[in-house]
Amino acid sequence: GNSVTQMEGPVTLSEEAFLTINCTYTATGYPSLFWYVQYPGEGLQLLLKATKADDKGSNKGFEATYRKETTSFHLEKGSVQVSDSAVYFCALSVSNDYKLSFGAGTTVTVRA
Amino acid sequence: NAGVTQTPKFQVLKTGQSMTLQCAQDMNHEYMSWYRQDPGMGLRLIHYSVGAGITDQGEVPNGYNVSRSTTEDFPLRLLSAAPSQTSVYFCASSMGRAINGYTFGSGTRLTVV
Repeated sequence: GNSVTQMEGPVTLSEEAFLTINCTYTATGYPSLFWYVQYPGEGLQLLLKATKADDKGSNKGFEATYRKETTSFHLEKGSVQVSDSAVYFCALSVSNDYKLSFGAGTTVTVRA
Repeated sequence: NAGVTQTPKFQVLKTGQSMTLQCAQDMNHEYMSWYRQDPGMGLRLIHYSVGAGITDQGEVPNGYNVSRSTTEDFPLRLLSAAPSQTSVYFCASSMGRAINGYTFGSGTRLTVV
């Protein structure tokens, strides 16, 4: 089946630190990969996506590269801000499906 | 443009009670779905619909019913609430396939006592 594994949190960082959240997947077919972000008290929002191997998704200073050889889609940001405090979810869809499979989520807290 | 609207935001039920969580979208999205969010388990799909009159089960459908009589509305019904259904529930919609991105509602926090 299809599944997503994220690094366990919580992650606590100081402002301007480098952030990496690991995500690996197993999937049948050729998945599309996503990162969603959930700010406190809100629903999830699409942060970035990649649809094929070696694609790089980017948004708001965050980046993730679709690595087929390591079945990974790690999220990175070079200098985090307090406003980046949120829960981050890695997700995948396969074969042009409607459905998304989500990882467990990683809570990130950035301290001033 | 309101997006996806969920009501209520908070609800407390007694074991055995029934209720309906409402979800409405005004974007003419064909796909709608319900997820529950539990600590350490991420989001799990309960039910989904690819259009009016069409629904199907997700990973954790037991204890829940849905219907899709219009494109806009996708209510989730709890038939006989149990403490195991204490969770945060999210409705999401998309225009077509998941690659287009989901729009989520702000969630309903349900407690069953």
